[in-house]
Amino acid sequence: EVQLLESGGGLVQPGGSLRLSCAASGFTFTTYAMGWVRQAPGKGLEWISGVSKNGLQTYYADSVKGHFTISRNNSMRTLFLQMHSLQADDTAVYYCVRKDADLIDFWGQGALVTVSS
Amino acid sequence: DIQMTQSPSTLSASVGDRVTISCRASQTINDWLAWYQQKPGKAPKLLIYKASSLEKGVPARFSGSGYGTDFTLTISNLGPDDFATYYCQQYHFYSPWTFGQGTNVDIK
Repeated sequence: EVQLLESGGGLVQPGGSLRLSCAASGFTFTTYAMGWVRQAPGKGLEWISGVSKNGLQTYYADSVKGHFTISRNNSMRTLFLQMHSLQADDTAVYYCVRKDADLIDFWGQGALVTVSS
Repeated sequence: DIQMTQSPSTLSASVGDRVTISCRASQTINDWLAWYQQKPGKAPKLLIYKASSLEKGVPARFSGSGYGTDFTLTISNLGPDDFATYYCQQYHFYSPWTFGQGTNVDIK
């Protein structure tokens, strides 16, 4: 059974940092590109970052470019999202997603990040 | 970036109804269009990909159509489990992925 399990969410002060992890199981991790999509409370979905199968190519939405970094450790079957300089508008549920060709075919259950003083 | 516009934002329907949701892209995306269903507090679930291909395990009462800029999700014979929010998403290769703003299907 395919599983994507996010961790690392929580409450952080404005200007702070947080690292999200996504542990993958139930499929061959190295054969899929991965990414992150977020959803602010009561709002729609926003793709924010993607990474290639080997981790060498990364992609970012303009809204997070320069203060979020995506990476993966294929031996650990884990995806990461390092977030710096967090602001209130970064408050959201962050979903780890699996990418099949160019399609998001599976989503994790999400990790809530709240940026507040 | 390609903008995706869904309509309506909210739709009230009854069990057994036929429901249609529209999605329009700001430029052509061929058939690189997916539909997702999201229930409160849950992750989205893939229903349709490549505009009209049904994901494995998704009931056949869901169908998609369209090409270019105009797309439709149809739910024939709305079931009690289908009350949810639906999102379209374009995944055209040379553009960042973008989603529609969502359509909430609620009980009339």
